[in-house]
Amino acid sequence: QLRLQESGPGLVKPSETLSLICTVSGGSISSSSYFWGWIRQPPGKGLEWIGSIYYSGSTYYSPSLKSRVTISVDTSKNQFSLQLSSVTAADTAVFYCARHGPYIVAPFDIWGQGTLVTVSS
Amino acid sequence: QSALTQPPSASGSPGQSVTISCTGTSSDVGGYNYVSWYQQHTGKAPKLIIYEVSKRPSGVPDRFSGSKSGNTASLTISGLQAEDEADYYCSSYAGSNNFVFGIGTKVTVL
Repeated sequence: QLRLQESGPGLVKPSETLSLICTVSGGSISSSSYFWGWIRQPPGKGLEWIGSIYYSGSTYYSPSLKSRVTISVDTSKNQFSLQLSSVTAADTAVFYCARHGPYIVAPFDIWGQGTLVTVSS
Repeated sequence: QSALTQPPSASGSPGQSVTISCTGTSSDVGGYNYVSWYQQHTGKAPKLIIYEVSKRPSGVPDRFSGSKSGNTASLTISGLQAEDEADYYCSSYAGSNNFVFGIGTKVTVL
């Protein structure tokens, strides 16, 4: 059974770069034509798609975050990662990694448990 | 792109039906049959319950159903049960490889 697990610092200082990793287990990240995405949820608020990456490395970003987001994939480690630069308190959120596919319009069918990242000095 | 509009709350007694709306534009909900619904219990990750407007993933009870008319999609929960108390989010493909989520609706079972 495919499982996704987010990991990374729980506290990031303002203006710094937030970095998270999603580790995929129970299957290969590159064995099938799926997309791997990041979604965030500020405390008490709704969900926001951040971006997705295809197993081959093609990336797709939310227009509102595109200038600050980088998503990459490491097939040798079965992981994909998120970097969000120049963070402010407004970036405090639970960050989820999730799978969708095999086409870009497909829904997010498998989610990680989420990890809370707080932006504070 | 703006978040899809959902009512903040909805409620019903056990056994009743509740319907949640999700309003977007012709650039998202109205333009594509790629509307999904997610159920999120407190402190948990979202769970996919409806995709492509009205399809249910394996294991999702058939009392969850979806539909769409114009720029508005709807989720109906029939035969409401205590375990259905959760937050529900709609999502739509918004073109150009983008996705947009709704603001969420809290469903309370009275």
